[in-house]
Amino acid sequence: EAGVAQSPRYKIIEKRQSVAFWCNPISGHATLYWYQQILGQGPKLLIQFQNNGVVDDSQLPKDRFSAERLKGVDSTLKIQPAKLEDSAVYLCASSSLSTALIDTQYFGPGTRLTVL
Amino acid sequence: AQKVTQAQTEISVVEKEDVTLDCVYETRDTTYYLFWYKQPPSGELVFLIRRNSFDEQNEISGRYSWNFQKSTSSFNFTITASQVVDSAVYFCALIVGAGSYQLTFGKGTKLSVIP
Repeated sequence: EAGVAQSPRYKIIEKRQSVAFWCNPISGHATLYWYQQILGQGPKLLIQFQNNGVVDDSQLPKDRFSAERLKGVDSTLKIQPAKLEDSAVYLCASSSLSTALIDTQYFGPGTRLTVL
Repeated sequence: AQKVTQAQTEISVVEKEDVTLDCVYETRDTTYYLFWYKQPPSGELVFLIRRNSFDEQNEISGRYSWNFQKSTSSFNFTITASQVVDSAVYFCALIVGAGSYQLTFGKGTKLSVIP
């Protein structure tokens, strides 16, 4: 079974530029998550989708971050404009979550973003 | 609000030594789920184990074992006879409640196994 795929693996941009990350979850997984992991810290949830609907985006900085999952499969996370403090690894995870059960989240390799 | 504390920032051991990684969690909910993930230098978080709050049985999987104690709110992870391939950052994480799916992570413990 293929795991969670993410691209690109690395991205270097200058502040105020825009950037987009792509995630393809494990086949059949209804729930998709985007996490931000700053160096030396644990990941922090940015947004959670169930199918193509947003379940939780309370920690997403909506003035500059946006995410979509139009067909309930792939997802894109965008930052516009980027700030220096956005330098981090952006992790995508998926789970075959039902409404009644807590299921394990499986993570992709991440995209390491450096903002100069 | 829930919280996960991993007090050990970095640990170094010599190969074949046993090592225990500590995890202390805080929550007022009676229903919760605990996880351990491994993050090798490649960056991908690898799922190791999941435990729910109603199951205090300890678990052993090969060289890995987990000790869950609700009385001390701890979910410690022991690696027996450590190997160089065990070198990674290990994260303990928590999901609280039946309707929430957000993982709250600790800050991680970096384990270095020296040959």
